[in-house]
Amino acid sequence: DVKVTQSSRYLVKRTGEKVFLECVQDMDHENMFWYRQDPGLGLRLIYFSYDVKMKEKGDIPEGYSVSREKKERFSLILESASTNQTSMYLCASSSYGAWTDSNQPQHFGDGTRLSIL
Amino acid sequence: DQQVKQNSPSLSVQEGRISILNCDYTNSMFDYFLWYKKYPAEGPTFLISISSIKDKNEDGRFTVFLNKSAKHLSLHIVPSQPGDSAVYFCAAPQHSGYALNFGKGTSLLVTP
Repeated sequence: DVKVTQSSRYLVKRTGEKVFLECVQDMDHENMFWYRQDPGLGLRLIYFSYDVKMKEKGDIPEGYSVSREKKERFSLILESASTNQTSMYLCASSSYGAWTDSNQPQHFGDGTRLSIL
Repeated sequence: DQQVKQNSPSLSVQEGRISILNCDYTNSMFDYFLWYKKYPAEGPTFLISISSIKDKNEDGRFTVFLNKSAKHLSLHIVPSQPGDSAVYFCAAPQHSGYALNFGKGTSLLVTP
């Protein structure tokens, strides 16, 4: 069965800390994504990666960086956490492009609720 | 600028009735649309999709209708069940072909 695993469900950090959010997928997918979900704003793309060591900025990359050293793992890094980065973070993966005619183009993890104090 | 818009933040429907969730888009180049469903504390799950070469796609109780001239799509759930209570997101692929543009979501509450 398809599985995207995010290392933490809940995380509390302090302003200025460097924060790592980890995501692992077991489907051998080429593409991986990081989104954040905020009330009234929906899901917004932070970064994505279409291959190992490759990354592309999404709609809101400021304050974030990513790392993809292995195909199955995609890390989101908050370089210096700020309170406006308190949010639900969602990792996803997919094969090929963003959409296919087959079932479930993107698979999501259950999210990490991050609070920055 | 939001290219996929869900203008109704919430919707309440009685069990057994029809739920209609609406989505508008601005980019006429979009050729594929998806609906995702999200329960609290879980990730979104894919529900149903439609290609722009079709105007309707049906999967059990869920039907998506596409009106290209109006740049509008809708998700119909018939009959609605309490377990359908969730946030529904409309999405279309970004120009990169990899990621998705999501709407802001509509929170559906189905009451017994």
